[in-house]
Amino acid sequence: EVQLVESGGGLVQPGGSLRLSCAASGFTFSSYSMNWVRQAPGKGLEWVSYISSSSSTIYYGDSVKGRFTISRDNAKNSLYLQMNSLRDEDTAFYYCARTLSGSYGLDVWGRGTTVTVSS
Amino acid sequence: SYVLSQPPSVSVAPGKTARITCGGNNIGRKGVHWYQQKPGQAPVLVIYYDSDRPSGIPERFSGSNSGNTATLTISRVEAGDEADYYCQVWDSSSDHVVFGGGTKLTVL
Repeated sequence: EVQLVESGGGLVQPGGSLRLSCAASGFTFSSYSMNWVRQAPGKGLEWVSYISSSSSTIYYGDSVKGRFTISRDNAKNSLYLQMNSLRDEDTAFYYCARTLSGSYGLDVWGRGTTVTVSS
Repeated sequence: SYVLSQPPSVSVAPGKTARITCGGNNIGRKGVHWYQQKPGQAPVLVIYYDSDRPSGIPERFSGSNSGNTATLTISRVEAGDEADYYCQVWDSSSDHVVFGGGTKLTVL
């Protein structure tokens, strides 16, 4: 079964850091580009970051550029999001999502992990 | 940056057809993807590249894209279709994935 499982969420103070992980299984992780997408409470979907299969290409959303870092370890079938200088507005549910081959559609999503930034 | 506009809500009676629009400048030149998100669940891809359906998605779901508007059409709407729906494109000018604001589909 194709599956993505996020972990690492929690409560952090403004200005703090957190590292999210996403464990992939059921497919050849190294063949797919991946994304992080977040959803603030009661709000819509917001794309956070993209990383190509070989990590050669990385993109960030404007609201997180310079603060968040996406990375992956294909040997461990894992995707990561290092979040620094966290702000209240980063409070959200964070999903990892697989990119559909040949497009920028997102065909597999994890269940997500909650990040709360609050003092 | 590229902006996608969706109506906040659409209501439809069971058995009828729901149409959810997604507006964007020359969106017809882009590939549009649609997601369904039910409360407390992760989004699910229901249409990719304007009109293709992933395996397991009912044929009642279809899509079209032309000019400045893409449309998700749900035929013979069922109570279980009640959800939030999001359109999404890739904006090559900014190298960003862009989501629409979402449309809440209510089945009357």
